[in-house]
Amino acid sequence: DAKTTQPPSMDCAEGRAANLPCNHSTISGNEYVYWYRQIHSQGPQYIIHGLKNNETNEMASLIITEDRKSSTLILPHATLRDTAVYYCIVIHSGNTPLVFGKGTRLSVIA
Amino acid sequence: DVKVTQSSRYLVKRTGEKVFLECVQDMDHENMFWYRQDPGLGLRLIYFSYDVKMKEKGDIPEGYSVSREKKERFSLILESASTNQTSMYLCASTAAGQYEQYFGPGTRLTVT
Repeated sequence: DAKTTQPPSMDCAEGRAANLPCNHSTISGNEYVYWYRQIHSQGPQYIIHGLKNNETNEMASLIITEDRKSSTLILPHATLRDTAVYYCIVIHSGNTPLVFGKGTRLSVIA
Repeated sequence: DVKVTQSSRYLVKRTGEKVFLECVQDMDHENMFWYRQDPGLGLRLIYFSYDVKMKEKGDIPEGYSVSREKKERFSLILESASTNQTSMYLCASTAAGQYEQYFGPGTRLTVT
């Protein structure tokens, strides 16, 4: 599975958009980009995934570059409850074991 | 809503004890996973199972075993607990062909 690189931490003002980047330059053509997050003292939670096209759901948007070597997770209006560690994962299939890196610790500030 | 439950949130055991961590999911998922999470090391896969009575080793299976006698239940066993097994243990499940994994709340195990 392709490795990912994320910044270790980011801050975001409450109500503003949080843009979390992820580099995955060795991604192969049939690998998906997944995002999970982990709020303190809880298990990880699925957010969104994509292959080539941009995706949006009720939680977030995922923007994947045309060459697929990087992506950005967008939380459009961050709230204090979005403070968490966000993991970008590249895998062939969602039901195979996940390989978590260190993620990005997002702090949403009032 | 999918529910993945783990038998305890917090557990304290002594070195050498046999420890059972239970995970139960209520959505008839075929695939179940056990991870451990340590500061600075992230989540690491211990064992996983794609069906009843099937098991596969993950990245760090040493010192652990698993049991999957029923589809909804996946047990992690520490045959003889050691202090280096003090960690947060997370169980997850997913259906074959499904995109997302559902995680339980975790069990924080302390071995003294």
